[in-house]
Amino acid sequence: KNQVEQSPQSLIILEGKNCTLQCNYTVSPFSNLRWYKQDTGRGPVSLTIMTFSENTKSNGRYTATLDADTKQSSLHITASQLSDSASYICVVSARMDSSYKLIFGSGTRLLVRP
Amino acid sequence: KAGVTQTPRYLIKTRGQQVTLSCSPISGHRSVSWYQQTPGQGLQFLFEYFSETQRNKGNFPGRFSGRQFSNSRSEMNVSTLELGDSALYLCASSFQGVSYEQYFGPGTRLTVT
Repeated sequence: KNQVEQSPQSLIILEGKNCTLQCNYTVSPFSNLRWYKQDTGRGPVSLTIMTFSENTKSNGRYTATLDADTKQSSLHITASQLSDSASYICVVSARMDSSYKLIFGSGTRLLVRP
Repeated sequence: KAGVTQTPRYLIKTRGQQVTLSCSPISGHRSVSWYQQTPGQGLQFLFEYFSETQRNKGNFPGRFSGRQFSNSRSEMNVSTLELGDSALYLCASSFQGVSYEQYFGPGTRLTVT
């Protein structure tokens, strides 16, 4: 069964600290993996999108890694800011028959405290 | 470049009614996808339209339907509303499709009473 599991479900950190969010998937055949940031009441915003051959991708203070062998990805946030408080969603795209399917993780809710 | 816009932003309907939501994609994008987001189920894919044709479909009942116009604007319709349809409905546009970079709109918050 195609699944995307994220951990932890929620996380509280102090401003300025680093943190790492995890995403494990069992999706096959894999097309790409993306991380989104979603502020409360707003639409998700893309942080990174990674294909099979990419194992690291950065977007400012956000760095995503991908291990296609173990089917694991992580999102590392450096020097957290209050504005990083949001839900982070991992999404895996799979090619099935002649179309693509997106499988969503349930998200990690991050709260950054001053 | 203007982002994805959705109207209305908030909507309250009664069980049994129907509702139509609208999405205007980023100029030049031909793919529009619709998603339902609830606290219990997270984000779930409804369907994707590309150049006026439904190209992908999620596992939702036939009460959920959509269409896309020649200018790529898309509408989603839900008939015979149920309490469980209360959710944030998001649309996302992409130049080539769901497997590529997608840009989400702000969503329509639907409450069914």
